Amino acid sequence: DQQVKQNSPSLSVQEGRISILNCDYTNSMFDYFLWYKKYPAEGPTFLISISSIKDKNEDGRFTVFLNKSAKHLSLHIVPSQPGDSAVYFCAASANGDDKIIFGKGTRLHILP
Amino acid sequence: GAVVSQHPSWVICKSGTSVKIECRSLDFQATTMFWYRQFPKQSLMLMATSNEGSKATYEQGVEKDKFLINHASLTLSTLTVTSAHPEDSSFYICSASRNGPSTDTQYFGPGTRLTVL
Repeated sequence: DQQVKQNSPSLSVQEGRISILNCDYTNSMFDYFLWYKKYPAEGPTFLISISSIKDKNEDGRFTVFLNKSAKHLSLHIVPSQPGDSAVYFCAASANGDDKIIFGKGTRLHILP
Repeated sequence: GAVVSQHPSWVICKSGTSVKIECRSLDFQATTMFWYRQFPKQSLMLMATSNEGSKATYEQGVEKDKFLINHASLTLSTLTVTSAHPEDSSFYICSASRNGPSTDTQYFGPGTRLTVL
C-alpha cells in the first residue's frame, strides 16, 4: 500500500504560469514532508520541506502547503520557468524515524 | 510496478568492521543505480552513481575507498562501508533507473539503517 501518493504522473504548464504539484499521504504519523526535484540522468535533489507544525513554507518561487486534516500537500512554483521541467518527488517521514517514504513522482513540463 | 529492494533493512556492527548493503531491482533491469545517505530529518545526500559494468561515479566529498560500490549485474548494486565508524551510522537508500540513465523514472528502495557501535 502506497503511503505517499502522487496521482498525476505528468503535468504541463505554460512558462510564467503557476505550477501546482499535489501529493497525498495515508500515514497520520508522518510529521515531516519534503519535495525533491530530479533531472534526467541525475539523482533527486532536495528542494523544500515542511514540518507538520506549519501549514506553509516558502522559499523563493517555491511554496509548499500542508493540509493535515486532508493529508494533502502541494508544491507551488510561480512563475514557472523552463528549468523547472523535471520530475518532482514528494516524500514523508514519521515521528522519530529518519526513514523517508517517497511518492512515484510527477513529471512537470514547462511549455514555452 | 517496478520494485527495488534493499538488504538488509537494518544492520548493527562493531566499529572497524565492514558492512555490505545490497540494492536489487526485482522486476526490471537497471543500468544505473544511485546511492544516497540520509541523516535524521534531513534531505538525501547523493553519494554516488553506480553504473553496470563500470566504475561508480562518486560525488565530491565522498570517500571512494570507504564506500565501495559494485554494480556487477543489471539487477544488483552493492555498497560496502569499509572499516565502519560510529559517524557512518545513517540511513542508506538506493534508487534505480528503469530504462537507463537518460530516463527520469526513478524507483527508490526501502532503505537500510546502519548503526555502528
